[in-house]
Amino acid sequence: GNSVTQMEGPVTLSEEAFLTINCTYTATGYPSLFWYVQYPGEGLQLLLKATKADDKGSNKGFEATYRKETTSFHLEKGSVQVSDSAVYFCARSPQGAQKLVFGQGTRLTINP
Amino acid sequence: NAGVTQTPKFRILKIGQSMTLQCTQDMNHNYMYWYRQDPGMGLKLIYYSVGAGITDKGEVPNGYNVSRSTTEDFPLRLELAAPSQTSVYFCASTGGSGNTIYFGEGSWLTVV
Repeated sequence: GNSVTQMEGPVTLSEEAFLTINCTYTATGYPSLFWYVQYPGEGLQLLLKATKADDKGSNKGFEATYRKETTSFHLEKGSVQVSDSAVYFCARSPQGAQKLVFGQGTRLTINP
Repeated sequence: NAGVTQTPKFRILKIGQSMTLQCTQDMNHNYMYWYRQDPGMGLKLIYYSVGAGITDKGEVPNGYNVSRSTTEDFPLRLELAAPSQTSVYFCASTGGSGNTIYFGEGSWLTVV
């Protein structure tokens, strides 16, 4: 079936550490891939997206590359800040009558 | 820039009461979704729709109903509210593959 699997959380890092949150997907065809971020008490905001293989999405220092060969879309940031503390969701877009599919979310906490 | 509008933002219901969460989008999107998010958890799909007149069950449809009489509106009805339905509800829409997924701001529902 079509699914998205994210790295288990929670993840706790110190400020300025390197971040990777893994995301892999299964799908037929070529879905678009997204990372969404949810800050405490708020809704979901688009962080970045990639619509085809080898595309790199980037925003606010975060990056993710659409890797068709490994069916992955890992989120990375070179130097995290306390303000990056949030829950991060990986998602793949619907194709035809398929569902919009989210990963289970990864809670990230950055300590000063 | 309305996007996806959900109402109400907050509601307290008594056990056994019914209510409707409203969701409307002004982007002419075909795909619309209702999710619930329990504290500290990910998103669970309740119902979705791939166009006016078409709805389908998601992961956790029991206790809920939807309709999609127009492209713009996708209301979620709770019949006979139960404490287990205490959650945050998010409506989302997208134009399909490659398009950004837009979320409403969320509706905080408590059943007592």
